Amino acid sequence: NAGVTQTPKFRILKIGQSMTLQCTQDMNHNYMYWYRQDPGMGLKLIYYSVGAGITDKGEVPNGYNVSRSTTEDFPLRLELAAPSQTSVYFCASTRERLAGADTQYFGPGTRLTVL
Amino acid sequence: TQLLEQSPQFLSIQEGENLTVYCNSSSVFSSLQWYRQEPGEGPVLLVTVVTGGEVKKLKRLTFQFGDARKDSSLHITAAQPGDTGLYLCAGVSVGGSQGNLIFGKGTKLSVKP
Repeated sequence: NAGVTQTPKFRILKIGQSMTLQCTQDMNHNYMYWYRQDPGMGLKLIYYSVGAGITDKGEVPNGYNVSRSTTEDFPLRLELAAPSQTSVYFCASTRERLAGADTQYFGPGTRLTVL
Repeated sequence: TQLLEQSPQFLSIQEGENLTVYCNSSSVFSSLQWYRQEPGEGPVLLVTVVTGGEVKKLKRLTFQFGDARKDSSLHITAAQPGDTGLYLCAGVSVGGSQGNLIFGKGTKLSVKP
């Protein structure tokens, strides 16, 4: 049971390039989340999904897109990378809605630098 | 905008000392969680508190949820170097954010041997 896995671990992009951050969970969780963590700023929610085929915007969705074709995978797409997207990105999952105080499991993160 | 304010932002202490980290808000939360994050890794859940006034203990760590469910504290007794890390509080506010977590900015703790 690997939990939540993310690839790549590190990436450097040039301004205007695009990329997909991969996230996979093997716990059969319905809910999945993408966060970004900037230095000294805590984690901010980008997008989340309550199940396959259903996604919704979080607090900071601009410049990102997501899809959820399967329960296991929740990729995050950056179409036109900008320096403001330099951050550490975390994927997470929960079995139930967080309002029920469920445990959120985080992946190890992807450190993205846009130059 | 619902905010969770954590204090202090940085804390550097000697092994064996006690410390308290605070998490405050003007909003009411249905639940509040504390995470610890080590460099290069994702946050790991330490505890969830859901009832006003609730106190939970995890070995040398004591977590308290305020009576009004607007604040929380984390107290560490006899800190050890292994306690070093970033401590994050996160809450699910009542009636907001579709049940998503709001995170504080974190307290970076360094425990020196």
